[in-house]
Amino acid sequence: EPEVTQTPSHQVTQMGQEVILRCVPISNHLYFYWYRQILGQKVEFLVSFYNNEISEKSEIFDDQFSVERPDGSNFTLKIRSTKLEDSAMYFCASRTAISGNTIYFGEGSWLTVV
Amino acid sequence: AQSVTQPDIHITVSEGASLELRCNYSYGATPYLFWYVQSPGQGLQLLLKYFSGDTLVQGIKGFEAEFKRSQSSFNLRKPSVHWSDAAEYFCAVGAKGNTPLVFGKGTRLSVIA
Repeated sequence: EPEVTQTPSHQVTQMGQEVILRCVPISNHLYFYWYRQILGQKVEFLVSFYNNEISEKSEIFDDQFSVERPDGSNFTLKIRSTKLEDSAMYFCASRTAISGNTIYFGEGSWLTVV
Repeated sequence: AQSVTQPDIHITVSEGASLELRCNYSYGATPYLFWYVQSPGQGLQLLLKYFSGDTLVQGIKGFEAEFKRSQSSFNLRKPSVHWSDAAEYFCAVGAKGNTPLVFGKGTRLSVIA
Protein backbone atom coordinates (compact mmCIF):
# COMPACT_ATOMS: atom_id res chain seq x y z
CA GLU A 1 0.00 0.00 0.00
CA PRO A 2 1.38 3.44 -0.89
CA GLU A 3 2.44 5.53 2.04
CA VAL A 4 3.69 8.94 2.99
CA THR A 5 7.35 8.81 3.95
CA GLN A 6 9.18 11.31 6.13
CA THR A 7 12.81 11.99 6.91
CA PRO A 8 14.47 12.27 9.31
CA SER A 9 12.60 10.18 11.82
CA HIS A 10 14.32 12.04 14.62
CA GLN A 11 16.45 15.18 14.67
CA VAL A 12 18.08 17.02 17.53
CA THR A 13 19.03 20.62 16.85
CA GLN A 14 20.29 23.58 18.78
CA MET A 15 18.05 26.53 19.41
CA GLY A 16 18.36 29.10 16.64
CA GLN A 17 19.38 26.60 13.99
CA GLU A 18 17.47 26.00 10.79
CA VAL A 19 15.76 22.68 10.27
CA ILE A 20 14.30 21.13 7.14
CA LEU A 21 11.89 18.24 7.46
CA ARG A 22 11.27 16.24 4.33
CA CYS A 23 8.27 14.35 3.09
CA VAL A 24 7.45 12.27 0.06
CA PRO A 25 3.66 12.26 -0.32
CA ILE A 26 1.77 9.45 -2.01
CA SER A 27 2.48 9.79 -5.70
CA ASN A 28 -0.96 10.62 -7.11
CA HIS A 29 -1.92 12.94 -4.26
CA LEU A 30 -2.42 16.64 -4.87
CA TYR A 31 -3.01 18.14 -1.44
CA PHE A 32 -0.23 18.23 1.12
CA TYR A 33 -0.24 19.10 4.80
CA TRP A 34 1.94 19.54 7.81
CA TYR A 35 0.61 18.92 11.29
CA ARG A 36 2.47 18.86 14.56
CA GLN A 37 1.99 17.19 17.92
CA ILE A 38 3.71 18.59 20.96
CA LEU A 39 4.36 15.81 23.48
CA GLY A 40 1.17 14.96 25.33
CA GLN A 41 -0.96 17.37 23.36
CA LYS A 42 -3.32 17.14 20.44
CA VAL A 43 -2.38 17.00 16.79
CA GLU A 44 -2.51 20.54 15.38
CA PHE A 45 -2.82 21.74 11.80
CA LEU A 46 0.03 23.88 10.51
CA VAL A 47 -0.42 24.36 6.77
CA SER A 48 -1.99 22.97 3.64
CA PHE A 49 -0.49 23.19 0.17
CA TYR A 50 -2.05 22.75 -3.23
CA ASN A 51 -1.05 23.66 -6.76
CA ASN A 52 2.34 24.91 -5.58
CA GLU A 53 1.03 27.37 -3.07
CA ILE A 54 -0.19 27.54 0.48
CA SER A 55 -3.96 27.17 0.58
CA GLU A 56 -4.45 27.58 4.30
CA LYS A 57 -2.31 28.04 7.39
CA SER A 58 -2.88 28.19 11.10
CA GLU A 59 -1.78 30.78 13.65
CA ILE A 60 1.10 28.49 14.56
CA PHE A 61 2.53 28.79 11.05
CA ASP A 62 4.27 32.12 11.49
CA ASP A 63 7.12 33.71 9.55
CA GLN A 64 9.69 31.26 10.83
CA PHE A 65 7.97 28.44 8.97
CA SER A 66 7.93 27.86 5.25
CA VAL A 67 6.98 25.02 2.94
CA GLU A 68 8.18 24.11 -0.47
CA ARG A 69 7.71 21.51 -3.14
CA PRO A 70 11.13 21.69 -4.76
CA ASP A 71 10.49 18.91 -7.24
CA GLY A 72 7.76 16.54 -8.29
CA SER A 73 8.04 14.29 -5.29
CA ASN A 74 9.28 16.09 -2.18
CA PHE A 75 7.41 18.41 0.16
CA THR A 76 9.48 20.18 2.81
CA LEU A 77 8.87 22.11 5.99
CA LYS A 78 11.56 24.59 6.98
CA ILE A 79 11.87 26.14 10.40
CA ARG A 80 14.28 29.07 10.09
CA SER A 81 15.34 29.68 13.66
CA THR A 82 14.18 26.95 15.96
CA LYS A 83 12.91 27.62 19.46
CA LEU A 84 12.58 25.24 22.36
CA GLU A 85 8.82 25.22 21.92
CA ASP A 86 9.20 23.90 18.38
CA SER A 87 10.08 20.52 19.86
CA ALA A 88 7.32 18.24 18.60
CA MET A 89 6.43 15.43 16.27
CA TYR A 90 5.81 16.84 12.81
CA PHE A 91 3.49 14.88 10.56
CA CYS A 92 3.29 15.21 6.83
CA ALA A 93 0.05 14.17 5.16
CA SER A 94 -1.45 14.03 1.71
CA ARG A 95 -4.64 13.25 -0.09
CA THR A 96 -6.02 13.04 -3.60
CA ALA A 97 -8.54 15.43 -5.03
CA ILE A 98 -11.20 12.76 -5.27
CA SER A 99 -10.98 10.96 -1.97
CA GLY A 100 -13.09 13.39 -0.06
CA ASN A 101 -11.20 14.53 2.92
CA THR A 102 -9.36 11.32 3.78
CA ILE A 103 -5.87 12.37 4.68
CA TYR A 104 -3.04 9.87 4.91
CA PHE A 105 -0.29 10.59 7.39
CA GLY A 106 3.37 9.74 7.47
CA GLU A 107 5.10 8.29 10.50
CA GLY A 108 6.31 11.66 11.65
CA SER A 109 9.59 13.44 12.28
CA TRP A 110 10.42 13.95 15.89
CA LEU A 111 12.20 17.27 16.39
CA THR A 112 14.00 18.03 19.62
CA VAL A 113 15.33 21.54 20.10
CA VAL A 114 17.95 21.90 22.83
CA ALA B 1 -15.36 27.12 16.24
CA GLN B 2 -14.81 23.51 15.41
CA SER B 3 -13.74 21.29 18.25
CA VAL B 4 -13.45 17.65 19.17
CA THR B 5 -13.71 16.34 22.69
CA GLN B 6 -12.42 12.98 23.78
CA PRO B 7 -13.43 12.92 27.44
CA ASP B 8 -11.34 9.90 28.42
CA ILE B 9 -7.62 10.55 28.60
CA HIS B 10 -6.71 6.99 29.47
CA ILE B 11 -8.70 3.75 29.43
CA THR B 12 -7.58 0.33 30.57
CA VAL B 13 -9.40 -2.79 29.44
CA SER B 14 -8.78 -6.49 29.78
CA GLU B 15 -7.87 -8.46 26.71
CA GLY B 16 -11.04 -9.91 25.19
CA ALA B 17 -13.27 -7.28 26.75
CA SER B 18 -15.33 -4.86 24.71
CA LEU B 19 -14.22 -1.29 24.14
CA GLU B 20 -15.92 2.02 23.52
CA LEU B 21 -13.98 5.25 23.07
CA ARG B 22 -16.01 8.41 23.17
CA CYS B 23 -15.84 11.34 20.78
CA ASN B 24 -18.01 14.43 20.69
CA TYR B 25 -17.65 17.16 18.12
CA SER B 26 -18.78 20.68 17.50
CA TYR B 27 -18.90 21.61 13.85
CA GLY B 28 -20.99 24.11 11.95
CA ALA B 29 -21.15 22.29 8.64
CA THR B 30 -21.92 18.67 7.86
CA PRO B 31 -18.99 16.88 9.43
CA TYR B 32 -16.68 14.29 8.05
CA LEU B 33 -15.51 12.17 10.97
CA PHE B 34 -12.41 10.07 11.40
CA TRP B 35 -10.69 7.84 13.88
CA TYR B 36 -6.93 7.48 13.71
CA VAL B 37 -4.68 5.23 15.78
CA GLN B 38 -1.11 5.96 16.78
CA SER B 39 1.05 3.15 18.10
CA PRO B 40 4.12 4.14 20.11
CA GLY B 41 6.70 5.73 17.84
CA GLN B 42 4.47 5.39 14.83
CA GLY B 43 2.45 7.70 12.64
CA LEU B 44 -1.28 8.15 12.44
CA GLN B 45 -3.11 5.28 10.81
CA LEU B 46 -6.67 5.74 9.58
CA LEU B 47 -9.04 3.30 11.27
CA LEU B 48 -12.30 4.42 9.71
CA LYS B 49 -14.20 7.40 8.42
CA TYR B 50 -17.74 8.67 8.06
CA PHE B 51 -18.79 10.94 5.23
CA SER B 52 -22.46 10.15 4.71
CA GLY B 53 -24.95 7.29 4.45
CA ASP B 54 -25.04 4.43 6.92
CA THR B 55 -24.27 5.84 10.34
CA LEU B 56 -22.52 2.66 11.46
CA VAL B 57 -19.17 2.40 9.73
CA GLN B 58 -16.75 -0.48 9.75
CA GLY B 59 -13.03 0.01 9.81
CA ILE B 60 -9.84 -1.96 9.92
CA LYS B 61 -8.73 -4.24 12.75
CA GLY B 62 -12.33 -5.03 13.73
CA PHE B 63 -13.24 -1.50 14.79
CA GLU B 64 -16.52 0.20 14.10
CA ALA B 65 -17.97 3.62 14.90
CA GLU B 66 -21.46 5.03 15.00
CA PHE B 67 -22.35 8.58 13.99
CA LYS B 68 -25.15 10.04 16.08
CA ARG B 69 -26.06 13.48 14.83
CA SER B 70 -28.47 14.17 17.68
CA GLN B 71 -25.71 13.61 20.21
CA SER B 72 -22.88 15.06 18.09
CA SER B 73 -20.98 11.88 18.76
CA PHE B 74 -18.86 9.42 16.85
CA ASN B 75 -17.88 6.72 19.33
CA LEU B 76 -15.43 4.00 18.43
CA ARG B 77 -16.16 0.42 19.43
CA LYS B 78 -14.59 -2.98 19.30
CA PRO B 79 -16.29 -6.13 20.64
CA SER B 80 -13.12 -7.89 21.76
CA VAL B 81 -9.87 -6.07 22.38
CA HIS B 82 -6.48 -7.60 21.60
CA TRP B 83 -3.23 -6.69 23.34
CA SER B 84 -1.98 -5.22 20.05
CA ASP B 85 -4.75 -2.61 20.21
CA ALA B 86 -2.87 -0.75 22.93
CA ALA B 87 -2.21 2.66 21.39
CA GLU B 88 -3.38 6.27 21.30
CA TYR B 89 -6.67 6.88 19.50
CA PHE B 90 -7.57 10.19 17.95
CA CYS B 91 -10.95 11.37 16.76
CA ALA B 92 -10.94 14.08 14.10
CA VAL B 93 -13.51 16.17 12.29
CA GLY B 94 -13.34 17.87 8.92
CA ALA B 95 -15.50 18.80 5.99
CA LYS B 96 -15.65 18.36 2.27
CA GLY B 97 -12.84 20.04 0.42
CA ASN B 98 -9.55 21.20 1.80
CA THR B 99 -10.75 21.96 5.32
CA PRO B 100 -8.03 21.04 7.81
CA LEU B 101 -8.83 18.29 10.23
CA VAL B 102 -9.41 19.21 13.85
CA PHE B 103 -8.23 16.56 16.26
CA GLY B 104 -9.23 15.63 19.76
CA LYS B 105 -6.59 15.27 22.46
CA GLY B 106 -6.61 11.52 22.13
CA THR B 107 -7.41 8.58 24.37
CA ARG B 108 -4.65 6.25 25.43
CA LEU B 109 -5.74 2.63 25.53
CA SER B 110 -3.96 0.13 27.72
CA VAL B 111 -4.76 -3.57 27.48
CA ILE B 112 -4.12 -5.91 30.39
CA ALA B 113 -4.09 -9.67 30.46
